[in-house]
Amino acid sequence: SYDLTQPPSVSVSPGQTARITCSGDVLPKQYVYWYQQKPGQAPLLIMRKDSERPSGIPERFSGSSSGTTVTLTISGVQAEDEGDYYCHSADSGGVVVFGGGTKVTVL
Amino acid sequence: QVQLVQSGAELKKPGASVKVSCKATGYSFTKYAIHWVRQAPGQGLDWMGWINGGNGNTKYSQKFQGRVTITGDTSANTSYMELKSLRSGDTAVYYCQVATLGYWGQGTLVTVSS
Repeated sequence: SYDLTQPPSVSVSPGQTARITCSGDVLPKQYVYWYQQKPGQAPLLIMRKDSERPSGIPERFSGSSSGTTVTLTISGVQAEDEGDYYCHSADSGGVVVFGGGTKVTVL
Repeated sequence: QVQLVQSGAELKKPGASVKVSCKATGYSFTKYAIHWVRQAPGQGLDWMGWINGGNGNTKYSQKFQGRVTITGDTSANTSYMELKSLRSGDTAVYYCQVATLGYWGQGTLVTVSS
């Protein structure tokens, strides 16, 4: 199996930029999907295939990839962006792994 | 629109089994895999396995291999996840998910307690 590593927490002031990283050896070859989860709710897909934003997701969310690290960027953070964020990918054999999650706090 | 509707909460004793269902509507069931993911209280997301909706092929996490079985019924557009030999650490919300489309079920709370 393999691991995806995320920072446990990110704190950001409203209007500033938050960057959440997801690192793993498989990432140069596999796409990453990002989910946002708020308390008591199912996760919500906010980015697919590293940098494709699903319809309905605000433009302030963007994704990028470089080597073994994929980054989710939230530009102009709003209070409603507070929550837990998870990256997820699969290896070539179809085994899926989630990162440990990053708690985003809007100060 | 796409919906994944899961069965209701379950209370089980240690050693028992649980079977959770996930009925899919709004898309072609045979075109996409359904994944099962669980989340223990206060913890992160834990992938359990997936089933190919078309041919029924499955892939399981090594963590659950031997205890979990994921099946699909194409006539009912429904996937099932059965977890055996339950222990208190299996207390969690269990979700089904169509990863490619980004849709999740509402979650099913399984509580394991004597």
